[in-house]
Amino acid sequence: EAGVTQFPSHSVIEKGQTVTLRCDPISGHDNLYWYRRVMGKEIKFLLHFVKESKQDESGMPNNRFLAERTGGTYSTLKVQPAELEDSGVYFCASSQVLQAQGQFFGPGTRLTVL
Amino acid sequence: DAKTTQPTSMDCAEGRAANLPCNHSTISGNEYVYWYRQIHSQGPQYIIHGLKNNETNEMASLIITEDRKSSTLILPHATLRDTAVYYCIVRVANYNAGNMLTFGGGTRLMVKP
Repeated sequence: EAGVTQFPSHSVIEKGQTVTLRCDPISGHDNLYWYRRVMGKEIKFLLHFVKESKQDESGMPNNRFLAERTGGTYSTLKVQPAELEDSGVYFCASSQVLQAQGQFFGPGTRLTVL
Repeated sequence: DAKTTQPTSMDCAEGRAANLPCNHSTISGNEYVYWYRQIHSQGPQYIIHGLKNNETNEMASLIITEDRKSSTLILPHATLRDTAVYYCIVRVANYNAGNMLTFGGGTRLMVKP
């Protein structure tokens, strides 16, 4: 079974540019989560999809961040325009609806904003 | 979700058992204890979880005190590849929708030869 995949693994952009991160969850997982760790801080929740619907987006920092999950499969997280403080590692995780094990994480996308 | 307290760092000799403690004195009756770890440059990895009873799987054992206010993750024979940050997380296991994970600082375990 393939795990959660994320693309790209690294992204370096300049302040003001736009970046789109992609996450492919484990096949059949309805729940998809985005988290991030900014430099020196703890891993923080951003938002949660159930299929294509946003279940909880309380962790989204501001309106420069837009997450989508069209068709309930893969998800994208767009940052527009990127700011210096957006640098960090963005993780995606997925889980089945009925699963006590919690969430399976991807390897993350390291975003550097210069 | 209840807050957890873990030591910042621990060392363990290779081949010995690693015992990682976690305090969760405000845990409520419907909250589970989950353990994840993050090996350098990888995403967090699920290890084990439990409610009241002790649990064991191929990776580790979880010992939860009778009052449920603390727990210990045990790696029975630590290897160098177990060097990672270990997170103890308390959360409700919502079987219908799933809940976010609240990560603290974790314990940085260093397994030494």
